[in-house]
Amino acid sequence: GENVEQHPSTLSVQEGDSAVIKCTYSDSASNYFPWYKQELGKRPQLIIDIRSNVGEKKDQRIAVTLNKTAKHFSLHITETQPEDSAVYFCAANRDDKIIFGKGTRLHILP
Amino acid sequence: DGGITQSPKYLFRKEGQNVTLSCEQNLNHDAMYWYRQDPGQGLRLIYYSQIVNDFQKGDIAEGYSVSREKKESFPLTVTSAQKNPTAFYLCASSRNQQPYTQYFGPGTRLTVL
Repeated sequence: GENVEQHPSTLSVQEGDSAVIKCTYSDSASNYFPWYKQELGKRPQLIIDIRSNVGEKKDQRIAVTLNKTAKHFSLHITETQPEDSAVYFCAANRDDKIIFGKGTRLHILP
Repeated sequence: DGGITQSPKYLFRKEGQNVTLSCEQNLNHDAMYWYRQDPGQGLRLIYYSQIVNDFQKGDIAEGYSVSREKKESFPLTVTSAQKNPTAFYLCASSRNQQPYTQYFGPGTRLTVL
């Protein structure tokens, strides 16, 4: 079955710098890769997603890249701000389900 | 995701008791899911249902039970057979078609005393 690995588990970046979170997946049939942001005590919220027919998608300060050959995808956050502090989950679809990575806790340092 | 509600927000249970967590959605989604979240463990799938009166086990179904009598509702019962039930429980829903994008409820934090 699908397995999604996410790195790093914790990431600290200076405010204004960029943050990159990387994920790998195992099932070559996966074709949908969402990213969720979860603030402390809150629900995960979808922030961006990408399908396998494109290699990159951007929405303001966040972007996701996908390399289907290597089975990895990444989240890029530019010009980080304090409100970007949260746990981020990558995910990949498997049949009729979504498989989540274990999450990355992002700290934005003042 | 504002169309998915969970209650209660906090729940305390004594050992040996069954408790039921509520999940309701008004998004007209066919599919609903229950996840358990522990620190550092990500989101683990307990049960999911693609259609009324049908549901399937996820990766950690032991000690849990569900029902799906209405499209809008997917309650989760944590039974006394669940050995370590203290966790944050999240309900989600999606359309029953690709890509199954999921939207989450606000969660219920269960604590066993």
